[in-house]
Amino acid sequence: GAVVSQHPSRVICKSGTSVKIECRSLDFQATTMFWYRQFPKQSLMLMATSNEGSKATYEQGVEKDKFLINHASLTLSTLTVTSAHPEDSSFYICSARGPRETGELFFGEGSRLTVL
Amino acid sequence: GQNIDQPTEMTATEGAIVQINCTYQTSGFNGLFWYQQHAGEAPTFLSYNVLDGLEEKGRFSSFLSRSKGYSYLLLKELQMKDSASYLCAFQDSNYQLIWGAGTKLIIKP
Repeated sequence: GAVVSQHPSRVICKSGTSVKIECRSLDFQATTMFWYRQFPKQSLMLMATSNEGSKATYEQGVEKDKFLINHASLTLSTLTVTSAHPEDSSFYICSARGPRETGELFFGEGSRLTVL
Repeated sequence: GQNIDQPTEMTATEGAIVQINCTYQTSGFNGLFWYQQHAGEAPTFLSYNVLDGLEEKGRFSSFLSRSKGYSYLLLKELQMKDSASYLCAFQDSNYQLIWGAGTKLIIKP
């Protein structure tokens, strides 16, 4: 199956710093990737759709200046949490549609962000 | 409007069978997915249904009735490793995924 790799898996940072999370499709090209956020015991919340070579599409209520998304190539999308605060602590997961017709999503391993 | 609903939590016994239901409402539909998510990990794909009927894949089967806006995931011969959250999600007319809140399945020995 298609493989999506996400890095780092865990990051702890101080309040006010910025954190970059990378999402790579390893064996297929992904023109579109999705960034999700998940709080404990809750379902996935779509934050934004990342489009290769163009601006990301953000969901309502998601601050685009705080969560910067760059999709510079067909295999890499990055999410930068700028000026992180403790309330940004969460599990961030990226995904991409696989190459098959069913279009199922393949997820990265997720990145657990803890802001002190 | 669109909505999707599934039970919050279910408990079953090792070796038994469990059925997790998912109901949805939408004007445009392009398939329904089931994902498994272990605690602290990302979801993994289990099944996809776009036509009515039952899709069987080993111990797991998924059923869809588009007219009823209903799907279920059937897990047979339950193993302790099946303890996880099970997420259903449908694709709307724009191929956006609408996610359920997930069903936490607890397997007891």
